[in-house]
Amino acid sequence: DAGVTQSPTHLIKTRGQHVTLRCSPISGHKSVSWYQQVLGQGPQFIFQYYEKEERGRGNFPDRFSARQFPNYSSELNVNALLLGDSALYLCASSQGQVSTDTQYFGPGTRLTVL
Amino acid sequence: AQSVTQLDSQVPVFEEAPVELRCNYSSSVSVYLFWYVQYPNQGLQLLLKYLSGSTLVKGINGFEAEFNKSQTSFHLRKPSVHISDTAEYFCAGSSGSARQLTFGSGTQLTVLP
Repeated sequence: DAGVTQSPTHLIKTRGQHVTLRCSPISGHKSVSWYQQVLGQGPQFIFQYYEKEERGRGNFPDRFSARQFPNYSSELNVNALLLGDSALYLCASSQGQVSTDTQYFGPGTRLTVL
Repeated sequence: AQSVTQLDSQVPVFEEAPVELRCNYSSSVSVYLFWYVQYPNQGLQLLLKYLSGSTLVKGINGFEAEFNKSQTSFHLRKPSVHISDTAEYFCAGSSGSARQLTFGSGTQLTVLP
């Protein structure tokens, strides 16, 4: 079975630009979460979506937004990019939305902001 | 609010030696704990998880962890490491109604020949 997939693998943008990252969950999983992993740190929670609705939001500015589509895939959008947005963005999927559900991670999208 | 602390940022160990990676948590509610491994330029792979029941949890690749409520710890152990175990290891937790994972800062395990 296919795992969580993310696209693109790598991305280079300049300050002020906008970026869209994409994620396809494991088949049958209805929840998608997004995490930001800055070099040398653990992942930080950004959003969780379940059944196309936002169910959780981390401590990130409004420049970050996301949505989930009817097929449960998801997009993460970041506006007005800053140098500090350079990171590995990880998508995780789970069957449900409760805290006991195991989250399965994709390979990530490496974003570099110049 | 929950927090997860990994006490060692780097752990070097010789091949075939035992290893313990330390993790402590703080939470005022029921806690669920996970260990993930991250190989270079890859995402996170689940090693094992504790939800309830037996405090000794066995995972993949010969790893195990013990949940200790009195010491608020969830240390990861392997009796004999291989070169291929070289990677970054993350302890993470979720609790109560908080659906997201809270991660520690990671421990880089380097297995030396």
